[in-house]
Amino acid sequence: AQSVTQPDIHITVSEGASLELRCNYSYGATPYLFWYVQSPGQGLQLLLKYFSGDTLVQGIKGFEAEFKRSQSSFNLRKPSVHWSDAAEYFCAVGAGTGGFKTIFGAGTRLFVKA
Amino acid sequence: DAGVIQSPRHEVTEMGQEVTLRCKPISGHNSLFWYRQTMMRGLELLIYFNNNVPIDDSGMPEDRFSAKMPNASFSTLKIQPSEPRDSAVYFCASSLELGNTGELFFGEGSRLTVL
Repeated sequence: AQSVTQPDIHITVSEGASLELRCNYSYGATPYLFWYVQSPGQGLQLLLKYFSGDTLVQGIKGFEAEFKRSQSSFNLRKPSVHWSDAAEYFCAVGAGTGGFKTIFGAGTRLFVKA
Repeated sequence: DAGVIQSPRHEVTEMGQEVTLRCKPISGHNSLFWYRQTMMRGLELLIYFNNNVPIDDSGMPEDRFSAKMPNASFSTLKIQPSEPRDSAVYFCASSLELGNTGELFFGEGSRLTVL
């Protein structure tokens, strides 16, 4: 069965600093990988996704993620964090037939300090 | 275009009462998902439907929970009887069928408090 591990419960970075959120997955085949963001009181919004091809994927809001099969990782990065990036970030893996089952990691809460 | 619509946004009820949460997916989407979010357990997939048919309900906690999708534009999640441990935010999400992007579009959630 697929699973997702986000080892950092929360991270604090200074505004303007770079960001990397870690994600490791477990899945027997080539995974479909996603990063979602959740602002307080809101549902989740897709930042980016990886299905195949180029292992470095670009998303919205200046985020990117790199798929590394050898490390079973899909880390999210942003070169310069803005205060509005403070939110909770979820890595997810999708698989299945007859539909599309997506399993989420526990999430990493990002705090941005001025 | 309207997104996923959930109702009610907030529900406060007493233990033992029946709770019904509602969801209208995005028009044209073939898959619908119910998730539960709590601090302790994070986002848990409860059940998902494809073309109105339940595909996997292994995440439904127990028989007190039931979900239906009578047509492509409506789904319900029912808890009967409700218990305090059911307090959580319940999200509905919809998606195009496998073979497209698999992106989930979430509603804003229904926050349930059971006293």
